[in-house]
Amino acid sequence: QQQVKQSPQSLIVQKGGISIINCAYENTAFDYFPWYQQFPGKGPALLIAIRPDVSEKKEGRFTISFNKSAKQFSLHIMDSQPGDSATYFCAVPNTGTASKLTFGTGTRLQVTL
Amino acid sequence: GAVVSQHPSRVICKSGTSVKIECRSLDFQATTMFWYRQFPKQSLMLMATSNEGSKATYEQGVEKDKFLINHASLTLSTLTVTSAHPEDSSFYICSARDGLSGGFEQYFGPGTRLTVT
Repeated sequence: QQQVKQSPQSLIVQKGGISIINCAYENTAFDYFPWYQQFPGKGPALLIAIRPDVSEKKEGRFTISFNKSAKQFSLHIMDSQPGDSATYFCAVPNTGTASKLTFGTGTRLQVTL
Repeated sequence: GAVVSQHPSRVICKSGTSVKIECRSLDFQATTMFWYRQFPKQSLMLMATSNEGSKATYEQGVEKDKFLINHASLTLSTLTVTSAHPEDSSFYICSARDGLSGGFEQYFGPGTRLTVT
């Protein structure tokens, strides 16, 4: 059974600051690592994902950094905005079936003014 | 692109009745759909995986006779909660994978809030 450890559980960042969320996994069938953003009462939305033939992927203010040897990847949100306040989940492909994802426990981000 | 819809968004039912939730992929063919359950302030827990035209695969601890899943077409999967009880009250979310694209991405629906009274 895939184990995915996500930290921190909650995070408060001032507007304009950098938000960093970390995820560690044990095993994976395929190198595909997505981050999802979820607002209260809504379904998760795919935010950014990496397939690590590269160690970093950047899309706008969002960056994924990946360390394959350490089995860790992180989400960096630059110039954090109040609209970024949401819960973020990392996910890792299940070793049994590549199409299944195991989700982290989530990080509640609050960006203050 | 990659839009998934769910219906209804909210449903309240009485204990003992059954409720059906629909999940549709609007602009792609979903060879695989997933059903999740999410309790307040918790992560997503996979309930089952459904592939078009075949029986769903349920996760350990999920009662297949209680949570009936049908994936009759490449754009529609349904989850029926049978003989619902208050402990079934939760946020149910489906996701769909575009297997034809060869990608791993899962696209989620907006969720269905089920309240059993």
